[in-house]
Order: sequence, then C-alpha cells, then structure tokens
Amino acid sequence: SYELTQPPSVSVSPGQTARIICSGDALPIQFAYWYQQKPGQAPVLVIYRDTERPSGIPERFSGSSSGTIATLTISGVQAEDEADYHCQSADSSGTSPWVFGGGTKLTVL
Amino acid sequence: ELQLVESGGGLEQPGRSLRLSCAASGFNFDDFAMHWVRQAPGKGLEWVSGLSWNSDAKGYADSVKGRFTISRDNAKNSLFLQMNSLRPEDTAFYFCVREMTSNTSSGAGSWFDPWGRGTLVTVSS
Repeated sequence: SYELTQPPSVSVSPGQTARIICSGDALPIQFAYWYQQKPGQAPVLVIYRDTERPSGIPERFSGSSSGTIATLTISGVQAEDEADYHCQSADSSGTSPWVFGGGTKLTVL
Repeated sequence: ELQLVESGGGLEQPGRSLRLSCAASGFNFDDFAMHWVRQAPGKGLEWVSGLSWNSDAKGYADSVKGRFTISRDNAKNSLFLQMNSLRPEDTAFYFCVREMTSNTSSGAGSWFDPWGRGTLVTVSS
C-alpha cells in the first residue's frame, strides 16, 4: 500500500522558520494537503493543492512541492503553532485518494 | 457556520456492534461526499470509509471491509457508520469529514474540510 513519510518531530524557537516535509513516490503527480491538529482538537486544513491557503489561515503558513517531497513552511513560528501536522495525498493511480502521513509533532521551544 | 457533530461512541466489547452518527449543518449536505477518518490514541490519521452524495458509490479501508457499513440520510443531514464485529484495533477517535474536490487544468484532487470534533470508540473486554 502507498505510504507518505513524515519526520516524527521538528523543533524550532519562536520567530524562526519551521519546515515539515512529507515524502511520497506519487507526489510528483498528486497534490499534497496539510492539516494542523492541536491536542484534544480535530484537524484543521491549513494547505490544499500543494500551495493554496484556506481563508482564515495565517499567511505565515505556506506549502510547496518538488519531486517526491512536499513541504509545509511556517514562517515566524508562534507558540500557538505548536501542534501535530499531517500530510495527505493520493497514490499514483488515484485508487487510494486519501492516504495520510504519520504526522509530525512541531515543538516551539 | 459549518459544523459536523459526531455521536454514538463508547466502550464496547470485542465482537459487538456500535453505530456512529454525524449531524451536519451550515452547508448543503446533499451536495457533498462524506467520509469517516479515525485516529487511534497517539497515532496518525487513517481513512475508514466514504460515501458519495447520492449513496451510489462507497468505499472502505481494507481494515474494516466486510465489518463496517457507511450510509447517509440526506433528508436529515446525517451520516452514519455501522460498526460490526468490533476488534480492539478499532479503538480510536472517529471523525466525520466533508470531502472537497477540485479539477482544474493543474490537476484533480480531494481533501477533507471541515472535520467534526470526533467521537471515541473503545473496544475492550
């Protein structure tokens, strides 16, 4: 089955830039989506179609994708950004459209 | 305001059944496919099942195929998940989610937005 790989954890100091990657063989031809999940809360969409930001999501959140790597970038990290971040995408044939990465815990030091 | 509210979770013994419900509001429910996504405690997200707007198309993860049944009642803006033959590995928060899709010259894709707050299912003897 298709897999998306994320690092278990990323740590940054307030004001720095956090980059969270998601690796998958089909990412060159499939979009990546990113969700933020704070403790005890439901996931919230922060990036869709690799680079699009939903209304209400701060501009410091951005996304990019190159080859087999999709990246969620948080510029000027704030304490409130501490959360788990999950990527989602599809396999190359599209038969498994909703595959999630294992999630990355972002710690703001 | 867009809202999805799950209910029906709880503690159940292995082999027994539970029925989850999701009440939707704030959007035209019958315009969208709907899904269930689960998250075992301390683990990642796992897609469980999805259903088209008119119930014509449905899908299941291999881990629940043959045991779970998804359904909906558009007149009542509700989504359901009948969970039979429960196993300890089914223990998780179950989220109701709306599917969003796009198909442009740049390509096609689908994602989930919004998510409900989830309901906890615990399978244990």
